[in-house]
Amino acid sequence: DTAVSQTPKYLVTQMGNDKSIKCEQNLGHDTMYWYKQDSKKFLKIMFSYNNKELIINETVPNRFSPKSPDKAHLNLHINSLELGDSAVYFCASSQNGEIGGYTFGSGTRLTVV
Amino acid sequence: QKEVEQNSGPLSVPEGAIASLNCTYSDRGSQSFFWYRQYSGKSPELIMFIYSNGDKEDGRFTAQLNKASQYVSLLIRDSQPSDSATYLCAVDSGGYQKVTFGTGTKLQVIP
Repeated sequence: DTAVSQTPKYLVTQMGNDKSIKCEQNLGHDTMYWYKQDSKKFLKIMFSYNNKELIINETVPNRFSPKSPDKAHLNLHINSLELGDSAVYFCASSQNGEIGGYTFGSGTRLTVV
Repeated sequence: QKEVEQNSGPLSVPEGAIASLNCTYSDRGSQSFFWYRQYSGKSPELIMFIYSNGDKEDGRFTAQLNKASQYVSLLIRDSQPSDSATYLCAVDSGGYQKVTFGTGTKLQVIP
């Protein structure tokens, strides 16, 4: 069973479109994250949810909107896609109170053309 | 701004040698430190974490932490070609487990 699963794995779309990426974890973790990894491999946090509550909202354009219907799911919706949004987006989860790092999903490679 | 710095590499070592990867961090309040391995086109995978000064060993991997000097390192003994990957250092400054990642060091193990 996949611990953190993301869909889709690849996403190619035109500028101006709206797209969503879904993430689900079956680890029972309390906290979920969205990270963006650019072409230079730098992983930067975008959002973090703890038990469906938004707790980290880094400097991200308003076009990005996360939604967490329950603590096992964290989706990312992106409006009016721009060329600079092209990157790999990783979902991750962790358990509060445990020093164990994150479990990452397999990533979604978004290409905006 | 909290920063985590790594040499981007590539670091090339011959098979069987010890690979030494280093990381420095700016936030003195940092509490937990992680090493992730990321193969090309794959997601980061946690290989080690450490939170006390000193060494922590797991198989061929040893993580070393020196909070006074604000650095953490990863040693890989008997390096194998399968160890060739990008190694990401990550630092947790507490709170809701917000972790800051370094830009990674690319390791190449030459057969």
